[in-house]
Amino acid sequence: GAVVSQHPSWVICKSGTSVKIECRSLDFQATTMFWYRQFPKQSLMLMATSNEGSKATYEQGVEKDKFLINHASLTLSTLTVTSAHPEDSSFYICSASAASGNEQFFGPGTRLTVL
Amino acid sequence: GQNIDQPTEMTATEGAIVQINCTYQTSGFNGLFWYQQHAGEAPTFLSYNVLDGLEEKGRFSSFLSRSKGYSYLLLKELQMKDSASYLCAVRDGGYQLIWGAGTKLIIKP
Repeated sequence: GAVVSQHPSWVICKSGTSVKIECRSLDFQATTMFWYRQFPKQSLMLMATSNEGSKATYEQGVEKDKFLINHASLTLSTLTVTSAHPEDSSFYICSASAASGNEQFFGPGTRLTVL
Repeated sequence: GQNIDQPTEMTATEGAIVQINCTYQTSGFNGLFWYQQHAGEAPTFLSYNVLDGLEEKGRFSSFLSRSKGYSYLLLKELQMKDSASYLCAVRDGGYQLIWGAGTKLIIKP
């Protein structure tokens, strides 16, 4: 099956710093990548959808200047949390889908803790 | 608005059968997905239905009725490792994936 990796799997940072999370599709070309955030005991919340080579589409309430998304190639998307604060602490999950498929393949997630 | 409803929590016994229901109201329909998510982990794909009927895959089956806006996930021969949250998601007319809040399934010995 299709494999999506995320790096890092967990990160702890100080308030005010920026954190970059990478999402890679290892064995297929991902035309579209999705970034989700999940707080404890809550469902997935879609943050943004990105198509390779174009600007990401952000969901309502998600600050595009705070959560920078880059999808420069068909196998890599990055999410940068800028000037992170403790309330940004969450589980960030990416998923990817190929042009020809319906399924979203999920990465293992990145747990971010902001002190 | 768009809405997906599934029970918050269910309890079942090891070796038994459990059915998790999902009802949806969306603007258009382009398929329904079921995912399994263990605590602290990302979701993993279980099934996809786009036509009415039953899709069977091992111990797991998923059913869809588009006219009723209804689906269920059937788990047979329950094992302790099946304890997880089960997420129902619908792809709407604009190909956006709308997520349910998930059903936490607790398996007891």
